[in-house]
Amino acid sequence: DAGVTQSPTHLIKTRGQHVTLRCSPISGHKSVSWYQQVLGQGPQFIFQYYEKEERGRGNFPDRFSARQFPNYSSELNVNALLLGDSALYLCASSWGGGDTYGYTFGSGTRLTVV
Amino acid sequence: AQSVTQLGSHVSVSEGALVLLRCNYSSSVPPYLFWYVQYPNQGLQLLLKYTSAATLVKGINGFEAEFKKSETSFHLTKPSAHMSDAAEYFCAVSQGAGGTSYGKLTFGQGTILTVHP
Repeated sequence: DAGVTQSPTHLIKTRGQHVTLRCSPISGHKSVSWYQQVLGQGPQFIFQYYEKEERGRGNFPDRFSARQFPNYSSELNVNALLLGDSALYLCASSWGGGDTYGYTFGSGTRLTVV
Repeated sequence: AQSVTQLGSHVSVSEGALVLLRCNYSSSVPPYLFWYVQYPNQGLQLLLKYTSAATLVKGINGFEAEFKKSETSFHLTKPSAHMSDAAEYFCAVSQGAGGTSYGKLTFGQGTILTVHP
């Protein structure tokens, strides 16, 4: 079975631009969470979606948005990119909406803002 | 609110020696606790998780961790280090079944494990 797949793997954008990151969860998983991992730090929670509804939001500005599609895949959008948005963006999927089942992470999208 | 503190940003051991990575947590509700490993340029791989069942949790690759409520700790151990264990390790906490922050894992800053031949 395929794991959590994220695309693209690497991305370079200019300040002020917009970016869309994509995530496909493990087949049968209905929950997708997004995390930002800045170099040298632990991942920071951005969003969780379960059954296409936002269930959790971290402390990130409104420039960050996300959605989940009927097939449970998800997009993370970031507008008006700042240099500080440079990070590894991780997607995690889970069967349920809570924590009992654990989360499987993808390999991430490395975003560089110049 | 919940938080995780990993004591020691870098730990170095010899091959065959005991591995001990320390994690202390803070949570207002009974927590679920996780250990993840991250190899360079890769995502996170789940090593083990505690979800209020047995306090001694066994994971993959010979790792285990013990939940100690009185010490608010969830330290990760492995009896004998292998060169392939060299990676960064993250402890994480969530609010578990009694919490309202669905899907929110709060991670520690990570501990880089180096294994010397």
